Amino acid sequence: KAGVTQTPRYLIKTRGQQVTLSCSPISGHRSVSWYQQTPGQGLQFLFEYFSETQRNKGNFPGRFSGRQFSNSRSEMNVSTLELGDSALYLCATPSDGGPNSGANVLTFGAGSRLTVL
Amino acid sequence: DQQVKQNSPSLSVQEGRISILNCDYTNSMFDYFLWYKKYPAEGPTFLISISSIKDKNEDGRFTVFLNKSAKHLSLHIVPSQPGDSAVYFCASDSSTSGTYKYIFGTGTRLKVLA
Repeated sequence: KAGVTQTPRYLIKTRGQQVTLSCSPISGHRSVSWYQQTPGQGLQFLFEYFSETQRNKGNFPGRFSGRQFSNSRSEMNVSTLELGDSALYLCATPSDGGPNSGANVLTFGAGSRLTVL
Repeated sequence: DQQVKQNSPSLSVQEGRISILNCDYTNSMFDYFLWYKKYPAEGPTFLISISSIKDKNEDGRFTVFLNKSAKHLSLHIVPSQPGDSAVYFCASDSSTSGTYKYIFGTGTRLKVLA
């Protein structure tokens, strides 16, 4: 089965611009989560969408937004970019962790690396 | 407030020896803890998890230990191999009602020397 696909993989923007990132989840999965990875901060939860509805939200300013379409594909948008928004943006969908795991296991895409100049 | 902490940003270990990666947490209500491995230019991949009601879980060369009284967990890799060189993140599963929300540590970069 196909994994989680994120586009674009790399992009460069300047301060004040806006950016849209796309994520296609594992086929058949309706939950998509987004995380931001920065050096020294690890991965921080942005939001989760399920069946086109935002189900959970992290502690990020309103410049960060997202949506999900009926085919489960998701987009996130960052407006009025700041230098500090430079990061790897990861999306993930739930998957089977195997017989040895009862946890909610997430499968991540390769990420979209955003550089803000 | 960092609820999940990995205080060692890096670790170097000789091939064949044991690697021990540590993680501390502050919230006693977490249900599960997970370890993820991340190579450059790839997304994190799930490695192993442990329920808060257990103190040990093993999967091949990987064992996770949970000390609830100390709010501490550790990942042991035995024997370490050069291919294990990656950044390792511990995470707590703070999901409720079927939602998916992890709290991650800042990661430990493991380098296994051949």
